[in-house]
Amino acid sequence: DIQMTQSPSSLSASVGDRVTITCRASQDIGNYLNWYQKKPGKAPNLIIYDTSILQTGVPSRFSGSGYGTDFTFTIRGLEAEDIATYYCQQDYDSVTFGGGTKVEIK
Amino acid sequence: QMLLQESGPGLVRSSETLSLTCSVTGGSISTSKYFWGWVRQTPGKGLEWIGSIYHSGGPEYNPSLKSRVTILVDASKNHFSLTLTSVTAADTAVYYCARHFSRQKRPSALDLWGLGTLVSVS
Repeated sequence: DIQMTQSPSSLSASVGDRVTITCRASQDIGNYLNWYQKKPGKAPNLIIYDTSILQTGVPSRFSGSGYGTDFTFTIRGLEAEDIATYYCQQDYDSVTFGGGTKVEIK
Repeated sequence: QMLLQESGPGLVRSSETLSLTCSVTGGSISTSKYFWGWVRQTPGKGLEWIGSIYHSGGPEYNPSLKSRVTILVDASKNHFSLTLTSVTAADTAVYYCARHFSRQKRPSALDLWGLGTLVSVS
């Protein structure tokens, strides 16, 4: 089974800051990596798929990069509405989610 | 516009079977474009993939749940279902049904989700 490890598990940043989350796969998954935003009481929302492709309607301040085992998710210019937990997910072999990163406002 | 809606009991007794249905509206479940899946979130924890299915293919399951899970598609009713046997308190969670992109006939990103339904195990 492919394990997905996210870091940090939580972070606190100010509005306008650049926020970076990393996700590491236990084996090479190519670019088969997706990112979701999860707010309390709401369903998850796909933000980025195939490592770097922005889902339709998602603001351009969100971006993703990486390949193989190491991936990065970035929010350039954090906004208050971005407060949520973010999850990476691989679909190279079956489906696995990372443990999540809770983003809070400082 | 396609929509997904979960339905089923909100309370299940320990050791019994959890059964949920996801109704698909605004499009056909038999399309070649998508797979269909179930994901849950236990209280205070992260997202856990349960399993996914193609309209005409065999399901894939999370190895940690495989012995207790069955996912089926009913194309005549345009819905798919989840059955989880021998439930315990650890199965208390919000259960989501969702749609996967299909990439090379395998489930990819989950781009459309139901609202989720809370199932408590007593």
